[in-house]
Amino acid sequence: DTAVSQTPKYLVTQMGNDKSIKCEQNLGHDTMYWYKQDSKKFLKIMFSYNNKELIINETVPNRFSPKSPDKAHLNLHINSLELGDSAVYFCASSHPPGNEQFFGPGTRLTVL
Amino acid sequence: AQKVTQAQTEISVVEKEDVTLDCVYETRDTTYYLFWYKQPPSGELVFLIRRNSFDEQNEISGRYSWNFQKSTSSFNFTITASQVVDSAVYFCALRGGGNYGQNFVFGPGTRLSVLP
Repeated sequence: DTAVSQTPKYLVTQMGNDKSIKCEQNLGHDTMYWYKQDSKKFLKIMFSYNNKELIINETVPNRFSPKSPDKAHLNLHINSLELGDSAVYFCASSHPPGNEQFFGPGTRLTVL
Repeated sequence: AQKVTQAQTEISVVEKEDVTLDCVYETRDTTYYLFWYKQPPSGELVFLIRRNSFDEQNEISGRYSWNFQKSTSSFNFTITASQVVDSAVYFCALRGGGNYGQNFVFGPGTRLSVLP
C-alpha cells in the first residue's frame, strides 16, 4: 500500500532535454508539494497545490512547470534541463494543508 | 521570516550512547508547528513527530523523546541507547502561518552516525 509514489525513481538525461516526474498519493490528501534536495541534503519547497490549485510557487525557474490533473496527482515537468537541475526531487502530500507531510521515495535526476 | 537552525552538522556516537539533536527555530507567528523527519541512507523521508506551538508537553516514543521549549525556541530530539539503525540524517522543520502549508521550512539536517 504505497501512500505517495513517484516515477521514475532514477532519471538520467542530457542537458537541454525535457523530462517529467509523476507523483500520485492514495491518502486522500488535498495538498501536494514538490521539493528539491540538493547534494548537501538541503530541502527546499518548490511548489504546493491545494485541490488542484497552485498555492506556493517559490523562486523556481519557469522551466519547471507543475501540473495537477486531480488532487491525487501532481506531476513536474522540466524543460531545457541544466546541470544544476541534478538533485533528488521529492513529492509530498498532507491533510489538512500545513500538517505533517508524507513524502514519496524521491526521484534522483542526473543531468549530463 | 521562518528559519530553522540545526547547528550540529554531523554527530558520531557509539552504539548504546544517548544522543541529542538540537533544533532552534525562528518565527513571528503565534501559532506554528514543529516537525522532525528522518532520512536513512536509503533516502526516503520518514515523519517522526509534529508538535503544536500551544502544546509544550514533552513527548516520548520508545527510545525517542522530544523536548519543546518555547522560551528558548528549541525543539530538541534525544535518542536513548542509540542503535546502528538510527544512523540517518535528521531534519527539524517548522510550519508557520498560512492555511495551505506556506512557510514550511526545513533545517539543514544533522547527520547521525551510530557506530557498532
